[in-house]
Amino acid sequence: AQSVTQLDSQVPVFEEAPVELRCNYSSSVSVYLFWYVQYPNQGLQLLLKYLSGSTLVESINGFEAEFNKSQTSFHLRKPSVHISDTAEYFCAVSGRGSQGNLIFGKGTKLSVKP
Amino acid sequence: DGGITQSPKYLFRKEGQNVTLSCEQNLNHDAMYWYRQDPGQGLRLIYYSQIVNDFQKGDIAEGYSVSREKKESFPLTVTSAQKNPTAFYLCASTESLASEQFFGPGTRLTVL
Repeated sequence: AQSVTQLDSQVPVFEEAPVELRCNYSSSVSVYLFWYVQYPNQGLQLLLKYLSGSTLVESINGFEAEFNKSQTSFHLRKPSVHISDTAEYFCAVSGRGSQGNLIFGKGTKLSVKP
Repeated sequence: DGGITQSPKYLFRKEGQNVTLSCEQNLNHDAMYWYRQDPGQGLRLIYYSQIVNDFQKGDIAEGYSVSREKKESFPLTVTSAQKNPTAFYLCASTESLASEQFFGPGTRLTVL
């Protein structure tokens, strides 16, 4: 079985500052890892994913995450945030060889202030 | 455009009534999922289906039922047995077990 911990429920930050949203997971098997973003009253949108290969993955809007197997982490980072990045971010894990079910963290609300 | 549609966007129900939430996808995905989202709780899996005419209970299936008669459709019924049904419900689908899930826009259910 897998589990996901997002250590911060809320992260306030000023515009153009860097941000890191933390995600740790536990699993007895190898995993696939995902970050999703949710804007108010909308569904989830995939931000980036790690399936295999390079441990550093990037999104088209400047976010990146690094898979660290030894620390069982998949933290999300952005060097300079914008007001439009204000949203809730969910980390999710799926075990390889499982039925593809995602286990979600409880989410981190990123609030970017001018 | 390919995607997942959910209807209605907002739904109000009186206590004791069953209600059905619609989920349709035209992505030709085999697997479909229903999640419940409550503030501060993340997403919790209600039911999932990996093939037509087959579905499995998730972590919080009590008080819910589903059907999968067509590949494109995976409706969720919230029954009167669900004691606290007020929540945001999200439907998702995936092409394979090793790829991401695509989400619909959600249905917000409120019990009056």
